[in-house]
Order: sequence, then structure tokens, then C-alpha cells
Amino acid sequence: DVKVTQSSRYLVKRTGEKVFLECVQDMDHENMFWYRQDPGLGLRLIYFSYDVKMKEKGDIPEGYSVSREKKERFSLILESASTNQTSMYLCASSRQGTLSGELFFGEGSRLTVL
Amino acid sequence: DQQVKQNSPSLSVQEGRISILNCDYTNSMFDYFLWYKKYPAEGPTFLISISSIKDKNEDGRFTVFLNKSAKHLSLHIVPSQPGDSAVYFCAAFWGTNAGGTSYGKLTFGQGTILTVHP
Repeated sequence: DVKVTQSSRYLVKRTGEKVFLECVQDMDHENMFWYRQDPGLGLRLIYFSYDVKMKEKGDIPEGYSVSREKKERFSLILESASTNQTSMYLCASSRQGTLSGELFFGEGSRLTVL
Repeated sequence: DQQVKQNSPSLSVQEGRISILNCDYTNSMFDYFLWYKKYPAEGPTFLISISSIKDKNEDGRFTVFLNKSAKHLSLHIVPSQPGDSAVYFCAAFWGTNAGGTSYGKLTFGQGTILTVHP
């Protein structure tokens, strides 16, 4: 059974803290993505990666960075958390050559920044 | 700039009846359109997709219709069941293909909360 695992389901952090969200997939997928989900806004792409050590900005990259040191792991980093980064964060992966764009999602990490 | 829009935040339907969820898009370059379903505290799961060269795709109780001239797609669920109650996201994919490698991303709509009453 395919699996995308996000390390923390719920986090509470203070403004200014550095936050790491970890994501691991066991499907040997080349592509990995970070989205955030907010009511009324749907899912918005933060960053994605097509290969190890490779990253591309999505639609809302400001305030975030990412790291992909290994194929199976894609980390989202909030260098200095702010209250407007309170959100549900979703990691996803897909196989290279998937022309239909189908993604497999993790269960999400709900981050609250106080 | 919202390229994929779901204008109905919510939809309420009686069990056994048809549910119709709508989605509009602005970019004619999209190659595929997908529907995802999301339960609370879970990640979205893929439901059904349609290529931009087709106008209909059916999978069991779920059918997606694409009207390219209107830049509109819809998801029909017949018959609706209480277990279908979830948030439904429309998504569009635009990618380039070089030697079998796809480079693209999904753009999602805002989502529609479907409630199916017993």
C-alpha cells in the first residue's frame, strides 16, 4: 500500500520559531510537493521538487524553504514562523512521467502559530 | 489569480439523489482535470480524472463531464451516499513532457463541502 507519511499531525509553535515539517514517501516517487490548505482558498502550492537536491517555487513560497537531500524525504522549513502561517500543510508525491498529474497525499500537519 | 474556481462552497443532497459539483477554469492549456475527495483530518484522495481531449469519464457512481468551450467541468455522483460527505476539490494539471518525464503541477480549486443526508 502506497504511503506518504508526515512526521507531525499537530504542532503548536510561537511566532519567530523555526519550524520543520518532514515528509517521507515509500513509493520511490521522483516528484514531491508541499501544499497548504486554508478555508475558502483550497490547496495552494508552496514548493515542489522533481529530483534530489532540486526545488522549484510554487505559487506561495514566501516565508518558506525546502530541503530534498534524499529521494524519499522532502522537508518544509519555516525560518521564522508567523501567525499567518497557521494552516494545514499537506505533502504529496507523484511518479515522474505521470502525465495526468495524479498526486498521493499524506494525512496533513496542522500547524498553529501563536 | 484563481485559475481554477469552485463557486459553490457547499452542497446538501438527500441520500439516493444526484450530487453535482461544478468547477470552472481559465487556462486553456490544462492537460488533465482531476477530482479529489477529502475527509476531515485526512489527506485528499484521488477520485477520478479526465483528459482535456475527452468530454466524459465514468467510474462506477462517479462521472466527470468536461465542456472545453465553456471551460467548465462537473462531477456527478449517482446515487449519493452518506459516506460521500466530504470536501471535494477540483484540480487541473498542466505539464510538459520530455522523453517521458512530466514537469508540471496541479492547481486546485477552493473546494466544495458535500453533505449527503440519510
